[in-house]
Amino acid sequence: GIQVEQSPPDLILQEGANSTLRCNFSDSVNNLQWFHQNPWGQLINLFYIPSGTKQNGRLSATTVATERYSLLYISSSQTTDSGVYFCAVERVNRDDKIIFGKGTRLHILP
Amino acid sequence: ETGVTQSPTHLIKTRGQQVTLRCSSQSGHNTVSWYQQALGQGPQFIFQYYREEENGRGNFPPRFSGLQFPNYSSELNVNALELDDSALYLCASSLEGGSEQYFGPGTRLTVT
Repeated sequence: GIQVEQSPPDLILQEGANSTLRCNFSDSVNNLQWFHQNPWGQLINLFYIPSGTKQNGRLSATTVATERYSLLYISSSQTTDSGVYFCAVERVNRDDKIIFGKGTRLHILP
Repeated sequence: ETGVTQSPTHLIKTRGQQVTLRCSSQSGHNTVSWYQQALGQGPQFIFQYYREEENGRGNFPPRFSGLQFPNYSSELNVNALELDDSALYLCASSLEGGSEQYFGPGTRLTVT
C-alpha cells in the first residue's frame, strides 16, 4: 500500500523561529490535508492542498503532486503552535482511502 | 453551522463487551469516515460511509462495523472488545469522498 512519511518526527524550537515540516507519499493521491492535533486530541484543519501553494497567516503549505511531497511552513513560531502535525492523503478509488502519516511533534519553547 | 459532534466523550468497557460510538456530521455533509488513533500514533482509517453505504474500508476485522442513517449521522460498533481496542476514535465528515474532511472531538475508549 501507499507509504506516507513525515519528517522530522520531533522538533524543538525557540519561540519566534521558523520551521518546515515535510510529508512524502509513495503513490499518486487525489488530495492531501494538513492537520494540527491539540493536546485534547482535536484535529484542526490547516490546509486542504492537493497541489499548489496556500497561505493562512503565519502558515503556508506547498504540495508538488508530481514529485509526491508536501511541505508545511510555520513562521515566527508561538507556543500555541506546539502539538502534533499530521498530513493525510486520500485516494478515492481505493478501499483504504485515507492514510495518515505518523506526525511531527512540535514543541515551541518560550 | 454545526460542526461534527461525537458521543460519548469517554467510555470504559470490559474485554469481550460490545460498544457503539456515535457521530453527527456537519450540516450538508453526506460522507462520514471513522478512524482509530492509538496513543502516539497517527489516525488509522477504519471505514467510510457515503449516502448510507460503506464506501471503503481499512485493515480492520469484521467485528468493527458501521451504519449511516438518512440524516447522515453514523455509528461505529465494535464487538468482542480486546485490550488493543483502547484508543481515541475519531469521525470526520465531508461533502463527498475526496473533499475536505472535518473532524469531531473524538471518543476515548478504554478497554480493561
